[in-house]
Amino acid sequence: NAGVTQTPKFQVLKTGQSMTLQCAQDMNHEYMSWYRQDPGMGLRLIHYSVGAGITDQGEVPNGYNVSRSTTEDFPLRLLSAAPSQTSVYFCATLPYQRGYGYTFGSGTRLTVV
Amino acid sequence: AQKVTQAQTEISVVEKEDVTLDCVYETRDTTYYLFWYKQPPSGELVFLIRRNSFDEQNEISGRYSWNFQKSTSSFNFTITASQVVDSAVYFCALSEDRSGNTPLVFGKGTRLSVIA
Repeated sequence: NAGVTQTPKFQVLKTGQSMTLQCAQDMNHEYMSWYRQDPGMGLRLIHYSVGAGITDQGEVPNGYNVSRSTTEDFPLRLLSAAPSQTSVYFCATLPYQRGYGYTFGSGTRLTVV
Repeated sequence: AQKVTQAQTEISVVEKEDVTLDCVYETRDTTYYLFWYKQPPSGELVFLIRRNSFDEQNEISGRYSWNFQKSTSSFNFTITASQVVDSAVYFCALSEDRSGNTPLVFGKGTRLSVIA
Protein backbone atom coordinates (compact mmCIF):
# COMPACT_ATOMS: atom_id res chain seq x y z
CA ASN A 1 0.00 0.00 0.00
CA ALA A 2 1.26 3.45 -0.87
CA GLY A 3 -0.90 5.19 1.75
CA VAL A 4 -1.46 8.84 0.84
CA THR A 5 0.41 10.11 -2.21
CA GLN A 6 0.76 13.79 -2.94
CA THR A 7 2.13 15.20 -6.16
CA PRO A 8 4.08 17.24 -6.94
CA LYS A 9 6.43 17.56 -3.96
CA PHE A 10 7.61 21.01 -5.02
CA GLN A 11 6.13 23.63 -7.33
CA VAL A 12 6.86 27.21 -8.27
CA LEU A 13 4.06 29.21 -9.86
CA LYS A 14 3.77 32.70 -11.19
CA THR A 15 1.02 34.93 -9.87
CA GLY A 16 -2.19 34.27 -11.79
CA GLN A 17 -1.28 30.78 -12.95
CA SER A 18 -3.51 27.84 -12.14
CA MET A 19 -2.57 24.38 -11.02
CA THR A 20 -3.88 21.26 -9.34
CA LEU A 21 -2.33 19.56 -6.35
CA GLN A 22 -3.01 15.85 -6.45
CA CYS A 23 -3.87 13.60 -3.51
CA ALA A 24 -4.45 9.90 -3.97
CA GLN A 25 -5.02 7.19 -1.38
CA ASP A 26 -5.28 3.42 -1.66
CA MET A 27 -6.70 2.70 1.81
CA ASN A 28 -10.38 3.15 0.90
CA HIS A 29 -10.68 5.93 3.46
CA GLU A 30 -13.94 7.85 3.23
CA TYR A 31 -12.67 11.09 4.72
CA MET A 32 -10.12 13.24 2.91
CA SER A 33 -8.97 16.76 3.62
CA TRP A 34 -6.52 19.45 2.63
CA TYR A 35 -4.50 21.57 5.04
CA ARG A 36 -2.02 24.34 4.55
CA GLN A 37 0.87 24.93 6.92
CA ASP A 38 2.36 28.38 7.37
CA PRO A 39 5.07 29.40 9.86
CA GLY A 40 3.60 30.10 13.28
CA MET A 41 0.08 29.24 12.13
CA GLY A 42 -0.02 25.49 12.54
CA LEU A 43 -2.12 23.58 10.05
CA ARG A 44 -5.34 25.11 8.81
CA LEU A 45 -8.12 23.22 7.08
CA ILE A 46 -8.90 24.30 3.51
CA HIS A 47 -11.53 21.82 2.29
CA TYR A 48 -12.64 18.35 3.24
CA SER A 49 -14.78 15.51 1.96
CA VAL A 50 -16.65 12.77 3.82
CA GLY A 51 -17.14 10.69 0.70
CA ALA A 52 -17.35 10.71 -3.08
CA GLY A 53 -19.53 13.55 -4.32
CA ILE A 54 -19.46 15.42 -0.99
CA THR A 55 -17.19 18.34 -0.16
CA ASP A 56 -17.26 21.14 2.36
CA GLN A 57 -15.25 24.21 3.25
CA GLY A 58 -12.82 24.46 6.08
CA GLU A 59 -11.28 27.46 7.81
CA VAL A 60 -9.44 28.97 4.80
CA PRO A 61 -11.23 27.95 1.58
CA ASN A 62 -10.90 31.14 -0.46
CA GLY A 63 -8.90 30.74 -3.65
CA TYR A 64 -9.18 26.95 -3.68
CA ASN A 65 -11.58 24.49 -5.30
CA VAL A 66 -11.99 20.79 -4.71
CA SER A 67 -14.01 17.90 -6.07
CA ARG A 68 -14.36 14.27 -5.06
CA SER A 69 -15.48 12.11 -7.95
CA THR A 70 -13.88 8.93 -6.60
CA THR A 71 -13.00 7.59 -3.15
CA GLU A 72 -9.32 7.51 -4.07
CA ASP A 73 -8.67 11.04 -5.31
CA PHE A 74 -9.16 14.50 -3.85
CA PRO A 75 -7.46 17.16 -6.00
CA LEU A 76 -7.00 20.74 -4.81
CA ARG A 77 -7.20 23.42 -7.50
CA LEU A 78 -5.73 26.88 -7.38
CA LEU A 79 -7.57 28.87 -10.02
CA SER A 80 -5.41 32.00 -9.96
CA ALA A 81 -2.39 31.65 -7.72
CA ALA A 82 -1.44 34.49 -5.38
CA PRO A 83 1.72 34.99 -3.29
CA SER A 84 -0.44 34.51 -0.16
CA GLN A 85 -0.91 30.91 -1.24
CA THR A 86 2.78 30.17 -0.81
CA SER A 87 2.68 27.39 1.75
CA VAL A 88 3.14 23.70 2.41
CA TYR A 89 0.03 21.71 1.61
CA PHE A 90 -0.89 18.44 3.28
CA CYS A 91 -3.55 15.95 2.36
CA ALA A 92 -4.98 13.82 5.19
CA THR A 93 -7.32 10.84 5.20
CA LEU A 94 -9.33 8.98 7.82
CA PRO A 95 -11.38 5.78 7.71
CA TYR A 96 -15.03 6.07 8.69
CA GLN A 97 -14.51 4.11 11.88
CA ARG A 98 -13.76 6.74 14.46
CA GLY A 99 -10.85 6.42 16.75
CA TYR A 100 -8.13 5.99 14.18
CA GLY A 101 -5.36 8.46 13.52
CA TYR A 102 -5.37 10.60 10.42
CA THR A 103 -2.86 9.59 7.75
CA PHE A 104 -1.00 12.47 6.15
CA GLY A 105 0.71 12.70 2.81
CA SER A 106 4.30 13.93 2.62
CA GLY A 107 3.27 17.42 1.58
CA THR A 108 3.59 19.76 -1.41
CA ARG A 109 5.74 22.85 -1.04
CA LEU A 110 4.26 25.59 -3.23
CA THR A 111 5.88 28.92 -3.94
CA VAL A 112 4.00 31.64 -5.80
CA VAL A 113 6.18 34.42 -7.16
CA ALA B 1 -16.34 26.30 18.04
CA GLN B 2 -13.42 24.05 18.68
CA LYS B 3 -10.00 25.45 19.47
CA VAL B 4 -6.61 24.12 20.47
CA THR B 5 -4.03 26.26 22.25
CA GLN B 6 -0.36 25.40 22.57
CA ALA B 7 0.98 28.29 24.58
CA GLN B 8 4.62 27.26 24.30
CA THR B 9 5.95 28.38 20.94
CA GLU B 10 9.48 27.10 21.44
CA ILE B 11 11.19 25.02 24.12
CA SER B 12 14.87 24.23 24.41
CA VAL B 13 16.20 21.54 26.75
CA VAL B 14 19.46 19.75 27.31
CA GLU B 15 19.59 16.09 26.40
CA LYS B 16 18.27 13.74 29.12
CA GLU B 17 16.06 16.40 30.64
CA ASP B 18 12.35 15.76 30.92
CA VAL B 19 10.05 18.14 29.05
CA THR B 20 6.30 18.68 29.04
CA LEU B 21 4.41 20.18 26.12
CA ASP B 22 1.13 21.80 27.06
CA CYS B 23 -2.14 21.54 25.16
CA VAL B 24 -5.44 23.15 26.14
CA TYR B 25 -8.56 22.64 24.09
CA GLU B 26 -12.06 24.04 23.79
CA THR B 27 -15.11 22.18 22.56
CA ARG B 28 -18.82 22.10 23.24
CA ASP B 29 -19.14 18.45 22.29
CA THR B 30 -19.08 15.71 24.88
CA THR B 31 -17.57 13.26 22.39
CA TYR B 32 -14.30 14.21 20.79
CA TYR B 33 -10.82 12.93 19.99
CA LEU B 34 -7.47 14.43 20.88
CA PHE B 35 -4.27 13.81 18.97
CA TRP B 36 -0.58 14.54 19.09
CA TYR B 37 1.55 14.66 15.95
CA LYS B 38 5.29 15.06 15.53
CA GLN B 39 6.82 16.93 12.61
CA PRO B 40 10.57 16.32 12.41
CA PRO B 41 12.85 18.55 10.31
CA SER B 42 12.15 16.32 7.30
CA GLY B 43 8.61 17.73 7.28
CA GLU B 44 6.32 14.72 7.45
CA LEU B 45 3.59 14.48 10.07
CA VAL B 46 3.94 11.48 12.35
CA PHE B 47 0.94 10.28 14.35
CA LEU B 48 1.79 9.76 18.05
CA ILE B 49 -1.44 9.20 19.91
CA ARG B 50 -5.23 9.42 19.75
CA ARG B 51 -7.37 9.72 22.88
CA ASN B 52 -11.15 9.80 23.02
CA SER B 53 -13.04 11.96 25.49
CA PHE B 54 -14.36 9.02 27.48
CA ASP B 55 -10.96 7.62 28.29
CA GLU B 56 -9.11 9.72 30.85
CA GLN B 57 -6.48 7.13 31.62
CA ASN B 58 -2.98 8.43 31.23
CA GLU B 59 -0.91 6.62 28.65
CA ILE B 60 2.75 5.76 28.52
CA SER B 61 4.67 4.60 25.48
CA GLY B 62 8.37 4.23 26.13
CA ARG B 63 9.73 7.68 26.94
CA TYR B 64 6.46 9.34 25.95
CA SER B 65 3.52 9.88 28.26
CA TRP B 66 0.26 11.78 27.99
CA ASN B 67 -1.84 13.32 30.75
CA PHE B 68 -5.50 13.89 29.78
CA GLN B 69 -7.54 15.95 32.25
CA LYS B 70 -11.10 16.84 31.22
CA SER B 71 -11.53 19.04 34.29
CA THR B 72 -8.93 21.46 32.94
CA SER B 73 -9.43 20.66 29.22
CA SER B 74 -5.81 19.72 28.89
CA PHE B 75 -3.92 16.97 27.10
CA ASN B 76 -0.27 17.41 27.96
CA PHE B 77 2.63 15.45 26.50
CA THR B 78 5.77 14.58 28.42
CA ILE B 79 9.03 13.28 27.02
CA THR B 80 11.24 11.66 29.62
CA ALA B 81 15.02 11.67 29.22
CA SER B 82 14.86 13.68 26.02
CA GLN B 83 17.12 12.86 23.09
CA VAL B 84 18.37 14.90 20.15
CA VAL B 85 16.10 12.87 17.86
CA ASP B 86 13.11 14.30 19.74
CA SER B 87 13.84 17.70 18.22
CA ALA B 88 10.76 18.52 16.16
CA VAL B 89 7.59 20.56 16.06
CA TYR B 90 4.81 18.91 18.03
CA PHE B 91 1.16 19.54 17.27
CA CYS B 92 -1.86 18.89 19.43
CA ALA B 93 -5.15 18.50 17.56
CA LEU B 94 -8.86 18.02 18.25
CA SER B 95 -11.60 16.31 16.29
CA GLU B 96 -15.23 16.64 17.30
CA ASP B 97 -17.54 13.71 16.67
CA ARG B 98 -20.40 14.98 14.55
CA SER B 99 -22.13 12.56 12.20
CA GLY B 100 -18.97 11.69 10.37
CA ASN B 101 -17.84 15.25 9.63
CA THR B 102 -14.70 15.29 11.66
CA PRO B 103 -12.32 18.05 10.60
CA LEU B 104 -9.13 18.02 12.60
CA VAL B 105 -8.29 21.34 14.27
CA PHE B 106 -4.63 21.90 15.13
CA GLY B 107 -2.83 24.03 17.63
CA LYS B 108 -0.03 26.21 16.31
CA GLY B 109 2.62 23.78 17.45
CA THR B 110 5.53 23.77 19.87
CA ARG B 111 9.05 23.62 18.49
CA LEU B 112 11.22 21.46 20.73
CA SER B 113 14.98 21.67 20.49
CA VAL B 114 17.01 19.10 22.38
CA ILE B 115 20.64 20.10 22.73
CA ALA B 116 23.38 17.51 23.12
